[in-house]
Amino acid sequence: GAVVSQHPSRVICKSGTSVKIECRSLDFQATTMFWYRQFPKQSLMLMATSNEGSKATYEQGVEKDKFLINHASLTLSTLTVTSAHPEDSSFYICSATPAGGRVLTDTQYFGPGTRLTVL
Amino acid sequence: SQKIEQNSEALNIQEGKTATLTCNYTNYSPAYLQWYRQDPGRGPVFLLLIRENEKEKRKERLKVTFDTTLKQSLFHITASQPADSATYLCALDIYNQGGKLIFGQGTELSVKP
Repeated sequence: GAVVSQHPSRVICKSGTSVKIECRSLDFQATTMFWYRQFPKQSLMLMATSNEGSKATYEQGVEKDKFLINHASLTLSTLTVTSAHPEDSSFYICSATPAGGRVLTDTQYFGPGTRLTVL
Repeated sequence: SQKIEQNSEALNIQEGKTATLTCNYTNYSPAYLQWYRQDPGRGPVFLLLIRENEKEKRKERLKVTFDTTLKQSLFHITASQPADSATYLCALDIYNQGGKLIFGQGTELSVKP
């Protein structure tokens, strides 16, 4: 159990376009979902925390108008990178914290990541 | 300032030996400390969680210790195998932060046959 999927796994887009990344918890309900970005050889940097039905909480330095997060249900969160530029190229990873049940509630379960390349 | 640091250099060991990875932190009061494995181009995979009132946790060939006085966690892989080669991340779960995790930069482990 505790599987998190992301779609797409990789995307290449032109500068100025918007890209939407989906994060789904497949076999559990997630009270909270997190979005991270990771540059090569660096650690995961938290971008925002999202709870179902409420506005996301962004980390300092992350532009909320550029990285739009929608947490529509207990199993789906989306990240939209608006007007993407080459410096937005990165590995974007989501994670989900279970609402309860047989999986550990203190643990974040991560998706496989989305590689974004902006030309 | 707040910091979380792992062995910065890659760790190379021989198959069958025990790998020991270090995670040190300053100016944090974590409720839990977690260890994850990350393979290239993939998301992290949860391995172990240890609470602040626990000294040691084991799972198969993995062992984690947590010393809140030293502000350090050690992660051991016994009888290491080439398949254990990956980057290992420690992460702190801080009290009253809504479950946010603060990650170290990771240690790359390479197990040679």
